[in-house]
Amino acid sequence: GAGVSQSPRYKVTKRGQDVALRCDPISGHVSLYWYRQALGQGPEFLTYFNYEAQQDKSGLPNDRFSAERPEGSISTLTIQRTEQRDSAMYRCASSLGAGDRTGELFFGEGSRLTVL
Amino acid sequence: ILNVEQSPQSLHVQEGDSTNFTCSFPSSNFYALHWYRWETAKSPEALFVMTLNGDEKKKGRISATLNTKEGYSYLYIKGSQPEDSATYLCAPGNYGQNFVFGPGTRLSVLP
Repeated sequence: GAGVSQSPRYKVTKRGQDVALRCDPISGHVSLYWYRQALGQGPEFLTYFNYEAQQDKSGLPNDRFSAERPEGSISTLTIQRTEQRDSAMYRCASSLGAGDRTGELFFGEGSRLTVL
Repeated sequence: ILNVEQSPQSLHVQEGDSTNFTCSFPSSNFYALHWYRWETAKSPEALFVMTLNGDEKKKGRISATLNTKEGYSYLYIKGSQPEDSATYLCAPGNYGQNFVFGPGTRLSVLP
């Protein structure tokens, strides 16, 4: 696609429910990143992929969070048994190179998760 | 995880003033540093990607410098305009680690 697309844009869920957030990166972009952004704060790294391989998941807060990118394109971030502290904007970004940190990140518009 | 600091946390300037802010990061194993501009309710947009010590990049009225030996980068805005109001984020990356974003500097330019 022309830009990074995320869905849903807004998700309200009850505590204890599972949620899945989807990211469709720019076509041809090899690297895909997930960040979480609290209100007024900078993006906090969660995990990233080169192609379908998850290269680093050190930022995932706990084992309720997982991510996959099975075909090296679309990625899903799943949060199981959501808690109120999971409420945040979840942003996806992609870049052209395979872990080439000289390539700028292109961000999606984010998925705002609210856990009641 | 890299410890990235940005200062000041927020800044108010008058239209026409020039301003600058700082990004500090550990200098060991430095690979690259990115600057992003983020307007509330929008997505961060890349301003600069810097890799070499002494690098200086410029885009219009905005420029940035990089010192990898001492671990800092400055962002300068000349003749600030109200449309420059945004949060400016830096994101350094080291070998073996990914982009870690700083907390940002929130700039407000008053007309």
